[in-house]
Amino acid sequence: GAVVSQHPSRVICKSGTSVKIECRSLDFQATTMFWYRQFPKKSLMLMATSNEGSKATYEQGVEKDKFLINHASLTLSTLTVTSAHPEDSSFYICSARGRGHLSNQPQHFGDGTRLSIL
Amino acid sequence: KNQVEQSPQSLIILEGKNCTLQCNYTVSPFSNLRWYKQDTGRGPVSLTIMTFSENTKSNGRYTATLDADTKQSSLHITASQLSDSASYICVVSQILTGGGNKLTFGTGTQLKVEL
Repeated sequence: GAVVSQHPSRVICKSGTSVKIECRSLDFQATTMFWYRQFPKKSLMLMATSNEGSKATYEQGVEKDKFLINHASLTLSTLTVTSAHPEDSSFYICSARGRGHLSNQPQHFGDGTRLSIL
Repeated sequence: KNQVEQSPQSLIILEGKNCTLQCNYTVSPFSNLRWYKQDTGRGPVSLTIMTFSENTKSNGRYTATLDADTKQSSLHITASQLSDSASYICVVSQILTGGGNKLTFGTGTQLKVEL
């Protein structure tokens, strides 16, 4: 089945550091990729949607200069958390969707990245 | 406001027993409903997907039902196993003007299966 690989799985770094998270679709072309954030025992919250070759669309309240998204190819999207602070600590999950009818095309999720800012 | 509510919030059952998880939604216009299983520290994995015209969908020991009139869905797990311990998330897809769709996630039911 379709596989989405997310790397790294865990990051621990000092406040002020910028952190890049990669999301790769391994066996399909991901025309659209999504980035979510999940707090403990809470539901996934969509941060932004990116289509290959175009700028990402950010959800209300998400700072685009803080969370930089690049979707340069049909198999790779990156999320960079710039100048990360402790409040940015969270579980970040990407998902990807391939070509096809939108309503029936499933999103395939990565295994998430646990980001801890000290 | 588009919402997806799940119950119970958490559930503990003995191995081998059955259980049913509930999902109520107010998302409109409705496209489809999915149940996902999320193990701790992992991403969600799709279990079932149902469109408006489907009432029941099975995937092994998982059976999902959908009542589009009452906007309710359930996920029934039979003969539970220890590996079923996870968070089960109900996700409803909304049709957007212009042809896109948007997912609304429930907060999940945390299931623990014990010996």
